[in-house]
Amino acid sequence: QKEVEQNSGPLSVPEGAIASLNCTYSDRGSQSFFWYRQYSGKSPELIMFIYSNGDKEDGRFTAQLNKASQYVSLLIRDSQPSDSATYLCALSRDTGRRALTFGSGTRLQVQP
Amino acid sequence: EPEVTQTPSHQVTQMGQEVILRCVPISNHLYFYWYRQILGQKVEFLVSFYNNEISEKSEIFDDQFSVERPDGSNFTLKIRSTKLEDSAMYFCARRGEHYGYTFGSGTRLTVV
Repeated sequence: QKEVEQNSGPLSVPEGAIASLNCTYSDRGSQSFFWYRQYSGKSPELIMFIYSNGDKEDGRFTAQLNKASQYVSLLIRDSQPSDSATYLCALSRDTGRRALTFGSGTRLQVQP
Repeated sequence: EPEVTQTPSHQVTQMGQEVILRCVPISNHLYFYWYRQILGQKVEFLVSFYNNEISEKSEIFDDQFSVERPDGSNFTLKIRSTKLEDSAMYFCARRGEHYGYTFGSGTRLTVV
């Protein structure tokens, strides 16, 4: 059983639309959850973190966490072509000092 | 927050050779991490380093790997006898001020 599951995509959305990226996980001991963006050939870049159930908003990004359902998602509003990248879901068993476990990522394509 | 710089950006080595990958310069940070990403695959945790000691390591981090902070700033990952399957992007990371990591720019290791 995969620890962190993401649909590999590609997820294609038109410019200006909302992109919804989903992630499920198996470890109920997971405490903190992260979304990273990775452009091809580049290093992961932290977009959002969340550790409490509910929604967390930062600009065009909203992270949603439901620990009971072991589900975390990322919404990107007003998607731009520059948002086209692979989005990695990651989790940690504490506040993030311990190792992160990554999903394989979802490739997002924003069509102009 | 300052970037995490890695050198070299690309290294080609022959199978069986030793390689040393570096994060430079880093100061005043206690937590460091090494991750790797084989082409087309997910980011995988190798080792975490806290207060000049290994605090956590994965199954990947076997006797062929070692980490050091030789001069208080540089943070190195050594692979003693490289194999073809060691070809990957290697990222060092430091823990951010709050949650999550900042990843370095990465070193692409190619073993031939």
